[in-house]
Amino acid sequence: GAVVSQHPSWVICKSGTSVKIECRSLDFQATTMFWYRQFPKQSLMLMATSNEGSKATYEQGVEKDKFLINHASLTLSTLTVTSAHPEDSSFYICSARRSGQLYNEQFFGPGTRLTVL
Amino acid sequence: GQQVMQIPQYQHVQEGEDFTTYCNSSTTLSNIQWYKQRPGGHPVFLIQLVKSGEVKKQKRLTFQFGEAKKNSSLHITATQTTDVGTYFCAGISSGSARQLTFGSGTQLTVLP
Repeated sequence: GAVVSQHPSWVICKSGTSVKIECRSLDFQATTMFWYRQFPKQSLMLMATSNEGSKATYEQGVEKDKFLINHASLTLSTLTVTSAHPEDSSFYICSARRSGQLYNEQFFGPGTRLTVL
Repeated sequence: GQQVMQIPQYQHVQEGEDFTTYCNSSTTLSNIQWYKQRPGGHPVFLIQLVKSGEVKKQKRLTFQFGEAKKNSSLHITATQTTDVGTYFCAGISSGSARQLTFGSGTQLTVLP
């Protein structure tokens, strides 16, 4: 159990377009989901915390109007990169924490590689 | 803000040699987690340490949480080629909103 999927796994888009990435917990409910970005050979940087039914909490330096997060259900969170530019090219990874679990273990999705031309 | 530093950044070992990565936090942690990320893959949870001075073992892997709950280490005995990947520590500060702050990671290469 505890499988998290992401779609798409990779996407190439033109500069100025918007891209939506979906994160789903397949076999458990996730009150909280997290969005990270990872540049090559670097660590994961938390972008925002997504809570079901409420507004996301963004980390310092992350533009909330550029990275729109919606967590409409207990199994789905979406990240929309609006008006994408080449510097937004990165590996975006979501994770989910199982609702009501005692420990803080996060289950990670396989990631989405975004390339903006 | 909270910072989590990891050393070394890279480590090459011969198969059969031991390997250790160290993690240091700028703040006291309520718990620390370790993840492994294979090349091209996503992070996979290995373990969580909660208690001061805690030591946990998983086969050839030994995890330790410092007495002050600000540092941790992962030691692999007799490395194998399957151990290749990047090992991240990730900490949750006491009193935070249970958000993980990831260390910079240690990329392990095991030479056959």
